[in-house]
Amino acid sequence: DTGVSQDPRHKITKRGQNVTFRCDPISEHNRLYWYRQTLGQGPEFLTYFQNEAQLEKSRLLSDRFSAERPKGSFSTLEIQRTEQGDSAMYLCASSRLQRGTEAFFGQGTRLTVV
Amino acid sequence: AQSVTQLGSHVSVSEGALVLLRCNYSSSVPPYLFWYVQYPNQGLQLLLKYTTGATLVKGINGFEAEFKKSETSFHLTKPSAHMSDAAEYFCAVSGNTGNQFYFGTGTSLTVIP
Repeated sequence: DTGVSQDPRHKITKRGQNVTFRCDPISEHNRLYWYRQTLGQGPEFLTYFQNEAQLEKSRLLSDRFSAERPKGSFSTLEIQRTEQGDSAMYLCASSRLQRGTEAFFGQGTRLTVV
Repeated sequence: AQSVTQLGSHVSVSEGALVLLRCNYSSSVPPYLFWYVQYPNQGLQLLLKYTTGATLVKGINGFEAEFKKSETSFHLTKPSAHMSDAAEYFCAVSGNTGNQFYFGTGTSLTVIP
């Protein structure tokens, strides 16, 4: 069990550019989550996969954001035409299917849009 | 719908003093409750969780929390604060389907030597 891995850890991009983040969950975990966290706030839900199916997406999520989880393994989160307001920590987490199981978090990708 | 309210965005305690971080939840179904800790520029690490059974749950690093259904609370305590406890603490709730974890806004704990 190597934990949840996220890449890159830090990303600085110019406004208007596209960025893509990768998350490798714990191998036996069926569920994968993406959260966004800004300074002084708790993690905000973005989207959720069960295996390869994206089952839920936050209504607050702009259509500039898209996530995939091909083959139910790793996941990518893409932000198109980045804006300064997208600057945040993007957290990935994974969990088993059982009720009440906890989510295991990666160390996050810090995005700065300049 | 589920939600969590953490009272007190900043808590300061002296080293060796009791730590009490407050969490109240709202849930239309029996909740699963969690406390996570986050150190600067790091992800979240689970401290403890309540699912069913004993309402007093013990976690890592000497922390514990008590589920009180009548008060819809899940407060986090530690008898004696240590300098290494300084961090951000998040309470979270999930429902039966487990498809989302709803987090509070966090409490920043400062430990004064």
